[in-house]
Amino acid sequence: GAVVSQHPSRVICKSGTSVKIECRSLDFQATTMFWYRQFPKQSLMLMATSNEGSKATYEQGVEKDKFLINHASLTLSTLTVTSAHPEDSSFYICSASATSGSPGMKAEQFFGPGTRLTVL
Amino acid sequence: KQEVTQIPAALSVPEGENLVLNCSFTDSAIYNLQWFRQDPGKGLTSLLLIQSSQREQTSGRLNASLDKSSGRSTLYIAASQPGDSATYLCAVAGRRALTFGSGTRLQVQP
Repeated sequence: GAVVSQHPSRVICKSGTSVKIECRSLDFQATTMFWYRQFPKQSLMLMATSNEGSKATYEQGVEKDKFLINHASLTLSTLTVTSAHPEDSSFYICSASATSGSPGMKAEQFFGPGTRLTVL
Repeated sequence: KQEVTQIPAALSVPEGENLVLNCSFTDSAIYNLQWFRQDPGKGLTSLLLIQSSQREQTSGRLNASLDKSSGRSTLYIAASQPGDSATYLCAVAGRRALTFGSGTRLQVQP
């Protein structure tokens, strides 16, 4: 099956610093990548959708200037949490699809293993 | 706005039991429905994907059904094992977004 990796798996940083998380599709070209956030004992919430070569579409309530998403190639998307604060501590999960468009397309999404961010 | 509900929120069963996890959704205009497994602190493992035109999918001891008109899906796990202990999430793919339920935390007692 399709494999999606994330790096790092875990990061601890001081308040005010920026953190970059990478999401890679290892064996397929990901036209669309999605970023989710999961707080403890809660479900996944979609943050943004990015199509290769275009600007990301952010969900309501997600600050685009705080969560910078870059999808520069068909195998890599990055999420940068700028000026991180303790309330940004969460589990961030990416997924990738081989077709373009919204998450509602018929194509299956393949999920990465997640990145645990802790902001002190 | 799509809302996905999973019942029960938690379930503890002895090893060997057959069990059913439930998922309901409010908007029947979906493309597909997926069941995932999530171990503590880990990412998602896709278990089954049911397209909107399908009624069920099977993989090993797992069987998932979909009744789009009533907005329901069930995940049936046969002969449960301690290794099945995890949180099970269902997610529906609508036109706009993939919406997740809050999950069912399953504990299978040896």
